[in-house]
Amino acid sequence: EDKVVQSPLSLVVHEGDTVTLNCSYEVTNFRSLLWYKQEKKAPTFLFMLTSSGIEKKSGRLSSILDKKELSSILNITATQTGDSAIYLCAPNIYGQNFVFGPGTRLSVLP
Amino acid sequence: NAGVTQTPKFRVLKTGQSMTLLCAQDMNHEYMYWYRQDPGMGLRLIHYSVGEGTTAKGEVPDGYNVSRLKKQNFLLGLESAAPSQTSVYFCASSYPGLVEQYFGPGTRLTVT
Repeated sequence: EDKVVQSPLSLVVHEGDTVTLNCSYEVTNFRSLLWYKQEKKAPTFLFMLTSSGIEKKSGRLSSILDKKELSSILNITATQTGDSAIYLCAPNIYGQNFVFGPGTRLSVLP
Repeated sequence: NAGVTQTPKFRVLKTGQSMTLLCAQDMNHEYMYWYRQDPGMGLRLIHYSVGEGTTAKGEVPDGYNVSRLKKQNFLLGLESAAPSQTSVYFCASSYPGLVEQYFGPGTRLTVT
């Protein structure tokens, strides 16, 4: 059975802090791993990772995949209140199908 | 472009009633998906479609049916709603290949 675990499930920080969100997976036919940010409504795409060890960056956010450890991390530096959201990781398992983790709920306090 | 839209945004049903959720996309995507999201459980795939006229079961298909008569539309039906189907339903679409999915705004369904 395909399984995705995210940790922590919930995190409260203050503006300016740096956070690291973790995703580990046990899935068949792994192709890629995606990170999404979900605020009040639809998840919005952040990163797609296909190769181990290659960091993807977008502003204060960065992510990296470790295929040997079957895991990925999402880093957010200098957090802002606008970073408050649920962060979802989703390995692509076959074809165009994804298995979503439960998400990490990040709350950034002013 | 409107992207992915969902109709309705909210709905309350009584147990045993039926309804259809409509998903529409204007990005000419081949693939479309229906997910449900429950607290603490992430998104779970109900059904998906890899092209007009084709559908397939996902992780949690029981109690739902789907149809993809037109490429831009993907319908999710509940024939006899149950309280366990209370959830937020998201539609998504994508091109083939290693690409991301685009999500609609969601439909909040409550079954009493």
